[in-house]
Amino acid sequence: EVQLAESGGALVQPGGSLRLACAASGFTFSNYWMHWVRQVPGQGLVWVSRINTDGVSTTYADSVKGRFTISRDNAKNTLYLQMNSLRAEDTALYYCSTSVHGGYSETWGQGTMVTVSS
Amino acid sequence: DIQMTQSPSSLSASVGDRVTITCRASQSISNYLNWYQQKPGKAPKLLIYAASSLQSGVPSRFSGSGSGTDFTLTISSLQPEDFATYSCQQTSSTPLTFGGGTKVEIK
Repeated sequence: EVQLAESGGALVQPGGSLRLACAASGFTFSNYWMHWVRQVPGQGLVWVSRINTDGVSTTYADSVKGRFTISRDNAKNTLYLQMNSLRAEDTALYYCSTSVHGGYSETWGQGTMVTVSS
Repeated sequence: DIQMTQSPSSLSASVGDRVTITCRASQSISNYLNWYQQKPGKAPKLLIYAASSLQSGVPSRFSGSGSGTDFTLTISSLQPEDFATYSCQQTSSTPLTFGGGTKVEIK
């Protein structure tokens, strides 16, 4: 069974850092692009970043560019999102998802909550 | 950035009704349009990709159509498990963008 499990969400102060992880199982992780998508509870979905299969190509939303870094460890079947200089507006539920060609998201994790507040 | 506008933002319907949700892109996106369903407290679920391709395992009462800037998601006969929020997404160019969502409620 294809599964994604996010972790690492927490309460952090503005300006702080956090690293999210997404553990993949049940499929060949290295064959899939991966996305991070976030959602403020009660609001819509917002795409954050994506990474290609070997980790060489990465893309970011302007709102996180220069502050967030997406990466992956195909040997560990894990996707990461390093989040620096966090702001209140980064508060959201963060989902990871699989993507065959870097487009639509086929499988989603259950999300991990990030709260940025003093 | 490509803006995605969904309408309506919410609707009330009865079991068995035919429901149509529209999504408009601010510029042509060919058929790079996807639809997701999300239930409260759950992750989104892919329903339709490439405007009209049904994701494996999704009931055939769901269908998608359109190309260019105007797209439609149709539920041919609404079932109790279909009450949820539906979102469109363009994957023509980055940043990938979502519509604001359409909440389908029970009448």
